[in-house]
Amino acid sequence: EAGVAQSPRYKIIEKRQSVAFWCNPISGHATLYWYQQILGQGPKLLIQFQNNGVVDDSQLPKDRFSAERLKGVDSTLKIQPAKLEDSAVYLCASSQAGGFTASSYEQYFGPGTRLTVT
Amino acid sequence: KQEVTQIPAALSVPEGENLVLNCSFTDSAIYNLQWFRQDPGKGLTSLLLIQSSQREQTSGRLNASLDKSSGRSTLYIAASQPGDSATYLCAAYSGTYKYIFGTGTRLKVLA
Repeated sequence: EAGVAQSPRYKIIEKRQSVAFWCNPISGHATLYWYQQILGQGPKLLIQFQNNGVVDDSQLPKDRFSAERLKGVDSTLKIQPAKLEDSAVYLCASSQAGGFTASSYEQYFGPGTRLTVT
Repeated sequence: KQEVTQIPAALSVPEGENLVLNCSFTDSAIYNLQWFRQDPGKGLTSLLLIQSSQREQTSGRLNASLDKSSGRSTLYIAASQPGDSATYLCAAYSGTYKYIFGTGTRLKVLA
């Protein structure tokens, strides 16, 4: 079973530029998560999709961040314009979810995209 | 609002030692708790998931316990090895239908 795929793995941009990240979840997984992980901290949920609908985006800075999940499969996360404080690792995860067992909520993570804003 | 805390932030032990990592959460109405391992520059690898109805889960040298009443989970690593060196994170899934992560414990096992 293929894991969660993310690209690019690394990205360096200047502040005020825009950047986009792509995620392909495990086949059949209904729930997709985007997390931001700042160095030395735990991941913080930015947005959670159930199929192609948004379940939670309460911590997404909507003035600069946007995300979409077309057709309930792949997802893209965009930052425009980027700020220095956006430097972090952006992690994508997926889970089966929607089932009646806790194991269906087990999260599987991709390798992440390390963003450096200069 | 769920808050998750992991203490200590860092731990260094000699090879072969048994060790316990702690995870505390404020909202006991959790659905499950998941433990992860993160190697430098890598994503998170799932280690164990404990359902709210369970008290513990085991996988190889790892054993995770859950005590909802006290708001605690522990990850026990038996006979630690240098390859166990990594950051260990716990995440609680509660009524807000999202995972809240702790800040992690950075473990170093010395050969």
